[in-house]
Amino acid sequence: DQQVKQNSPSLSVQEGRISILNCDYTNSMFDYFLWYKKYPAEGPTFLISISSIKDKNEDGRFTVFLNKSAKHLSLHIVPSQPGDSAVYFCAASASGNTPLVFGKGTRLSVIA
Amino acid sequence: NAGVMQNPRHLVRRRGQEARLRCSPMKGHSHVYWYRQLPEEGLKFMVYLQKENIIDESGMPKERFSAEFPKEGPSILRIQQVVRGDSAAYFCASSAAVQGYSPLHFGNGTRLTVT
Repeated sequence: DQQVKQNSPSLSVQEGRISILNCDYTNSMFDYFLWYKKYPAEGPTFLISISSIKDKNEDGRFTVFLNKSAKHLSLHIVPSQPGDSAVYFCAASASGNTPLVFGKGTRLSVIA
Repeated sequence: NAGVMQNPRHLVRRRGQEARLRCSPMKGHSHVYWYRQLPEEGLKFMVYLQKENIIDESGMPKERFSAEFPKEGPSILRIQQVVRGDSAAYFCASSAAVQGYSPLHFGNGTRLTVT
């Protein structure tokens, strides 16, 4: 039972354009959401997070949007750069001590 | 990923041998988590430990796998009598507080290959 789903295994975007990565979740108890970026042979690196009391959080070129009614969140990267090429994981957690649940990831390729 | 140290980076074991994976959390972090990533899969939670205590091992296979985080020294994930299906990347993460509201910081992982 996949509680966090990233339905697009891959995404290709031209440099300078917007990248939109999507994530859906099924557990209505989730109230904290994160995006991680992962390069080959490295561990995931924390990118940005959002709690359920907000619907948007922005950090430089990265913005995360949360639609609680649709149980959907998205990561926008604008403008996209070749160095953004990586696998992006969506993760979610319920309040308290519950572990982070990860999606399967989306491989983003930014083409120069 | 600076700060969370995992070793070895690569580990090759024959079926039936034991694998020991080590993780030193970031300085000041007392919460350690182990995740496993199978090929083409996301990260799957295995176990959450604080110093000398296992808090949540709901993702840990019931047999052959164990974890500890002693008062002194790194956290250890031990896999006894390894099988080919144990081949995966094992990531350790740490946080300064309960992970519910604090991002985890991951190490670069140990890639276990069972031949």
